[in-house]
Amino acid sequence: EPEVTQTPSHQVTQMGQEVILRCVPISNHLYFYWYRQILGQKVEFLVSFYNNEISEKSEIFDDQFSVERPDGSNFTLKIRSTKLEDSAMYFCASKGTYVLQYFGPGTRLTVT
Amino acid sequence: KQEVTQIPAALSVPEGENLVLNCSFTDSAIYNLQWFRQDPGKGLTSLLLIQSSQREQTSGRLNASLDKSSGRSTLYIAASQPGDSATYLCAVRNTNAGKSTFGDGTTLTVKP
Repeated sequence: EPEVTQTPSHQVTQMGQEVILRCVPISNHLYFYWYRQILGQKVEFLVSFYNNEISEKSEIFDDQFSVERPDGSNFTLKIRSTKLEDSAMYFCASKGTYVLQYFGPGTRLTVT
Repeated sequence: KQEVTQIPAALSVPEGENLVLNCSFTDSAIYNLQWFRQDPGKGLTSLLLIQSSQREQTSGRLNASLDKSSGRSTLYIAASQPGDSATYLCAVRNTNAGKSTFGDGTTLTVKP
């Protein structure tokens, strides 16, 4: 069964530092997504990406966030200057021509 | 704006009981609805996906139904087991490639 992978599984960073969360979507998938889940809260949509550009973003996805597909296989989420409230589990997802959206295992980001 | 609600927030049952989890959504023009399982601190495991044209889907002891016109879905779990203890999330998509909107989840505890 194909799967989405994410690295690292856990990232600890200091407030104000930049972090890059990495995802390897399923090959031949065309649609990519980032979601986050703050501890004890619901999973929230951040951004979707298709054809090398952002197709939709939420109000959470402000100027401190950016996404990139640098090499045709990885899909990254960058947070420029982390805040305490960015601590959350970040999930990457991808979708191909079929309807199912496949989710990765998540990266737990802890900002201290 | 699509909103998803899950009732109850928590449920505790003795082993062997059949149970129903509820999900409601405000915008009935959905493309599909997906049920996930999430263990504490872990990722999202897809359980069942129902397309808007379908009324139900079954996988083993799980049965999900969809009533699009009333904005409701139910997840039926037969003969519950302690291993079913987890949080169950419902998510809807309004378009094929669009974002998923999640509910808060129902935390299920099955007592031996």
